[in-house]
Amino acid sequence: QVQLVQSGAEVKKPGASVKVSCKASGYAFPAFDIHWVRQASGQGLEWMGSLTPDRDNTAYSQKFQDRVTISSDISIDTAYMELSSLTFEDTAVYYCARGTYYFSYWGQGTLVTVSS
Amino acid sequence: QSVLTQPPSVSGAPGQRVIISCTASSSNIGAGSGVQWYQQFPGTAPKLLIYASNNRPSGVPDRFSASKSGTSASLAITGLQAEDEAFYYCQSYDSTLSGPVLFGGGTKLTVL
Repeated sequence: QVQLVQSGAEVKKPGASVKVSCKASGYAFPAFDIHWVRQASGQGLEWMGSLTPDRDNTAYSQKFQDRVTISSDISIDTAYMELSSLTFEDTAVYYCARGTYYFSYWGQGTLVTVSS
Repeated sequence: QSVLTQPPSVSGAPGQRVIISCTASSSNIGAGSGVQWYQQFPGTAPKLLIYASNNRPSGVPDRFSASKSGTSASLAITGLQAEDEAFYYCQSYDSTLSGPVLFGGGTKLTVL
């Protein structure tokens, strides 16, 4: 069965960077886009960007494009999302999701806490 | 600020029918872009309920249906059950805005 398993919770200081991984299994990893979506506590879903693994094509939300890098390593079926220059407002759960126009499968989420 | 607008909350009694709306600018939903709906319980990842405006993935009860007309979409839940109490998000896409993928602000469904 299709699974997306994300790395564990992170605590970072303001100004630091965080890199979250998303390990795919149960399907041909290069064949489907991977998206990253975040959700602050009590808030809605916010799209950050996406990656087409087999072409290394990326698309980013204008809000994050200066700070986010989405990448993949197809040899280990894993996607990554790195967010730099963290502020307290970046405290959120970060999800990876599979799909192009809609997201049938989601990772379990990774809590990133920015704290001094 | 989301360009897909949903009501913050809706409510209904068990067995009733509720509708959640999703209104967009003409550049996304109105341009023929499909609309998706997700259900999310606190502390869990969203679950796809409807894709391409009115299609249900396998396993989603037919109590959930959706439609799209012009620049608006809606999710209907019939035969409301206590376990339907959750947050619901619409989602579409538009390559002309600040990012191809758009989410609505979310609607909290309360079963009275």
